[in-house]
Order: sequence, then C-alpha cells, then structure tokens
Amino acid sequence: EPEVTQTPSHQVTQMGQEVILRCVPISNHLYFYWYRQILGQKVEFLVSFYNNEISEKSEIFDDQFSVERPDGSNFTLKIRSTKLEDSAMYFCASSEQGLVGYTFGSGTRLTVV
Amino acid sequence: QKEVEQNSGPLSVPEGAIASLNCTYSDRGSQSFFWYRQYSGKSPELIMFIYSNGDKEDGRFTAQLNKASQYVSLLIRDSQPSDSATYLCAVDNAGNNRKLIWGLGTSLAVNP
Repeated sequence: EPEVTQTPSHQVTQMGQEVILRCVPISNHLYFYWYRQILGQKVEFLVSFYNNEISEKSEIFDDQFSVERPDGSNFTLKIRSTKLEDSAMYFCASSEQGLVGYTFGSGTRLTVV
Repeated sequence: QKEVEQNSGPLSVPEGAIASLNCTYSDRGSQSFFWYRQYSGKSPELIMFIYSNGDKEDGRFTAQLNKASQYVSLLIRDSQPSDSATYLCAVDNAGNNRKLIWGLGTSLAVNP
C-alpha cells in the first residue's frame, strides 16, 4: 500500500537553529499538508499546499516557517530559527482529492533544546 | 475560534462491549467529519468519514452524524484490546477543502 514517508523520525536541535523536515507524499496525490501535535495537545493545522503554492496557512505558520516542493517528489517544511515551543510531532499528509483519502506520514519528532 | 470537543476519557470498556465515542463541533458550516485512531507516538489513521446525517457502518464501526445538534459519534461494536487507542474527531473548516480541525481525542481502553 502506498505510504507517505517522513524523515528523519526524530531530530534534536538547539534553539535558534534551522531545521528541515522532509516528506515524500504518495506519487499521484495533489494536496499536501503539514500538521503538528505538541505532546498531550490537539493536532494543529499548519499549512496546505496545492498546485505548487500554499492554499492555506494557520496563524502558527509565521515567517519562521516555509514549505517547498523542490523536485516534484519531496515536500519540505523549514523552520528557520527554532524555539523551545516548536518541540512537537510534525506530520505530513497528502491526498488525491482534498480531505478524503488523507494519508499521514509516520511523523518527525522534533525536540528543541 | 472554531472548536471540536471530545471527552478526553479515559473510556474503559470490557472486551466484546460497545464503545461509544462522542464529538461536538462549533462550526455549522462544516460538511465533512472524520474519525481517526492514534496509537501512542504514532500518526493518526483514518477509520471512517461521514458527510450526511444519519448512520454509516463499516464493519464493527458505525459513525453517526447529527448536523442540527452539531454532534458526531463513533460506535465500536465487539470491542477488542487492539482497539485501545486515542480516537480523534476531525472536522473540515466550514466546507473548506483545505484543512481539518481536530479534537483532543478520547482515550479508549478495552480490557480483556
């Protein structure tokens, strides 16, 4: 069964450092998403991406965050200057037709120290 | 602020019983409703989605939607220990096809 692949599974970084979280969506999917989940809290929407541009972003997704689809297969989330409160599980998801058929990756656990 | 609310639990049921999980949402414009299961440290996995008022059955799972009451539920029949997980309710953003709003989840424990 096709799956969404995320790397790394766990990343530890120092506060103020840049991190890039990588995702390989399912190949025929057109919609891409990043969500995060702080330990013990709700899953939170960060950004959606369609047709090579951001279609929606949340208030969390400020200037420190950016997304790219650099080569037609990878979908990356960059955090330019990490803060302690960025520590969370980050999930990439993709779908063929919007919300139906959302497939999540296994997540990247980001720990900012 | 659009909200999705769930009782955090834990909900404890004996093996073979029916587990009933509930969710309310604040945005009357929402049109799509999803139930996900999440094991500790893992990503959410879709169990069911429902768009229309009434019941939708898939195996041991039944989703129920009442848009007038802004209420969606999930019934799990013949609960198994492997069903022990956190169940997340997610709702589209007022018919917006671009994001989901999530509840905190209900922790379910099925006791052998």
